[in-house]
Amino acid sequence: EAGVAQSPRYKIIEKRQSVAFWCNPISGHATLYWYQQILGQGPKLLIQFQNNGVVDDSQLPKDRFSAERLKGVDSTLKIQPAKLEDSAVYLCASSLDRTSGSTDTQYFGPGTRLTVL
Amino acid sequence: GQNIDQPTEMTATEGAIVQINCTYQTSGFNGLFWYQQHAGEAPTFLSYNVLDGLEEKGRFSSFLSRSKGYSYLLLKELQMKDSASYLCAPSKAGNMLTFGGGTRLMVKP
Repeated sequence: EAGVAQSPRYKIIEKRQSVAFWCNPISGHATLYWYQQILGQGPKLLIQFQNNGVVDDSQLPKDRFSAERLKGVDSTLKIQPAKLEDSAVYLCASSLDRTSGSTDTQYFGPGTRLTVL
Repeated sequence: GQNIDQPTEMTATEGAIVQINCTYQTSGFNGLFWYQQHAGEAPTFLSYNVLDGLEEKGRFSSFLSRSKGYSYLLLKELQMKDSASYLCAPSKAGNMLTFGGGTRLMVKP
């Protein structure tokens, strides 16, 4: 079974530029998550999708970050404009979520390492 | 709100046993995940505890006490490849995880 795919793996941009990350979850997984992991810290949830609807985006800085999952499969996360403090690894994860309220394991992709200069 | 506390770093010797503790305060608590994360890699699933008690899986075991808001991960017969960060993550309704800062374990020969 293929895992969670992400691209690009690395990105270097200057502050105030825009950047987009792409994620393809494990086939059949209903729920998709975007996390931000700053060096030396644990992952922080940015946004959670159930199919193509947003479940939680309370920690997403909506003035500069946006995410979509239009067809309930792939997802993109965008930052515009980027700031120095956005330098981090952006992890995508997915889970099966067989039934409403179930707790299924989240499987992570390799991440995109973003450096903002 | 969420409050998760685990040691920042631990060092242990190859072949030894190490216990990584995690305390948490989580509203709407469902269960607790442990993930392993090697440097520069994605977190990988180790264990999930819903009920109180110890669950053993090979060299790794995980314990949960819901009433005390406490969990630990026990690693036996340490190997050099166990050098990694270990992330404690309580879950709540809607499969939402909150990760602790992680414990960086260094295994020495």
